[in-house]
Amino acid sequence: EDQVTQSPEALRLQEGESSSLNCSYTVSGLRGLFWYRQDPGKGPEFLFTLYSAGEEKEKERLKATLTKKESFLHITAPKPEDSATYLCAVRSGNTPLVFGKGTRLSVIA
Amino acid sequence: DTGVSQDPRHKITKRGQNVTFRCDPISEHNRLYWYRQTLGQGPEFLTYFQNEAQLEKSRLLSDRFSAERPKGSFSTLEIQRTEQGDSAMYLCASSPMGAGELFFGEGSRLTVL
Repeated sequence: EDQVTQSPEALRLQEGESSSLNCSYTVSGLRGLFWYRQDPGKGPEFLFTLYSAGEEKEKERLKATLTKKESFLHITAPKPEDSATYLCAVRSGNTPLVFGKGTRLSVIA
Repeated sequence: DTGVSQDPRHKITKRGQNVTFRCDPISEHNRLYWYRQTLGQGPEFLTYFQNEAQLEKSRLLSDRFSAERPKGSFSTLEIQRTEQGDSAMYLCASSPMGAGELFFGEGSRLTVL
C-alpha cells in the first residue's frame, strides 16, 4: 500500500527565513510525485509534478526536488503570502493519488 | 476557461437526512475524482470516473454513498442517511486522461448536526 509521510506537521518561519518541507514515500513503482498548496477552506492548488530521482522544478520562491525515497519543497526567502498547507501526493501504476497529511506553514512578517 | 466547479460550497444538515453534491469538471477532462478531507488530514480518495464509467471505489465509500456521472459530464455525490462522521470537505477534481496531476475545485463543506 502506498504511503506518504510529511514533516514537520507545522512550521513557523520569519519572513525571509528559508527552510525545507519533507515528504517521505513508499510506493511500488512511482509514476509521479505531486506537490499542492492549500489555503484554508479552499481546494488544493497544483504546484509541481516530479517523475524521477534527481528531477527539480521551480516556481517563484519554491523549488521541489526528488530522490528515490523522499521529496523536498524548499522555500527561499518566504513571504507572509506563502502561508498555507503544503500537500504531497504520490501515484503508482494507475491508482489515484495518495496524499500525505500536509505541512502547515506560517510565515510571520 | 473556468476551473472545477462545486455546488453547494457549504451544506448543514441534520443526521439522517440525504445530501447531494454536484461537480462540474474542466471541460474536456474525461477523468473525475471525488476525495474527502477532514480537519488536519490530507484528501482521501473516494471514487473516480473515466467518462461515464465508475472505475474505482474506495473501501471508505460505504453503501450510503453513491456517485454518478451521467453522459460523462458533471458528477453528483449523494450521501444517504447522513451521520455526524460524514462531516468533512468533499473535494472534486478532474484531469485529462494520461495526465498525472489533478485539478481540484473549491470543495463542498458538509456539517452534520
